[in-house]
Amino acid sequence: VIWMTQSPSLVSASTGDRVTISCRVSQGITNNLVWYQQKPGKAPELLIYAASTLQRGVPSRFSGSGSGTDFTLTISGLQSEDLATYYCQQYYTFPRTFGQGTKVEIK
Amino acid sequence: EVQLVQSGAEVRKPGESLKISCKASGYSFTDFWIGWVRQMPGKGLEWMGIIYPADSDSRYSPSFQGQVTISADKSHNTAYLQWSGLKASDTAMYYCARPTSLNNYPYYFDHWGQGTLVTVSS
Repeated sequence: VIWMTQSPSLVSASTGDRVTISCRVSQGITNNLVWYQQKPGKAPELLIYAASTLQRGVPSRFSGSGSGTDFTLTISGLQSEDLATYYCQQYYTFPRTFGQGTKVEIK
Repeated sequence: EVQLVQSGAEVRKPGESLKISCKASGYSFTDFWIGWVRQMPGKGLEWMGIIYPADSDSRYSPSFQGQVTISADKSHNTAYLQWSGLKASDTAMYYCARPTSLNNYPYYFDHWGQGTLVTVSS
């Protein structure tokens, strides 16, 4: 089983700030990683696939980078509607596994 | 438009059985895998397993293997998640989701149902 470790667990930032979330993977997964956004009380939504490709309709302030075992989600210019929990997930092998989530709060 | 519509919230007692559903529309049901994700109260997402409706090939997370059964009914374009003996620890929101696929190989979930809340309490 591949383990995913996200950090930090919680980030509190002001609107307009740059927010960075890390996802570390227990073994190399090339670029087989996605990021999901889950707003309170809602189902998750796909933000980024293949580590850095933005899903259609996702604002360009979201970006992803990384390969192998270290990945990053960046929100450049935090907006109030970005209040959510963000999850990384690998699709390199079965079972697919998620990170534990990073909650983004707005100061 | 791809839609996954899940059955409504359920309340059961420990030891009871349960089957929840996820009806798919807007695409060819047998061309894509479909899976389930658990979210316990206040916790993160857990990948449970997926099934390929065309031939019922399935993959389970070891954490859920033997604890639940994932099935699909091609004639009704519906996937199911079932338990034969519920525990209080099965209390959670359960999401169905459809992964994007290439050559019948499932990748990541790009469409999600609205979730079904299962509460198990005596």
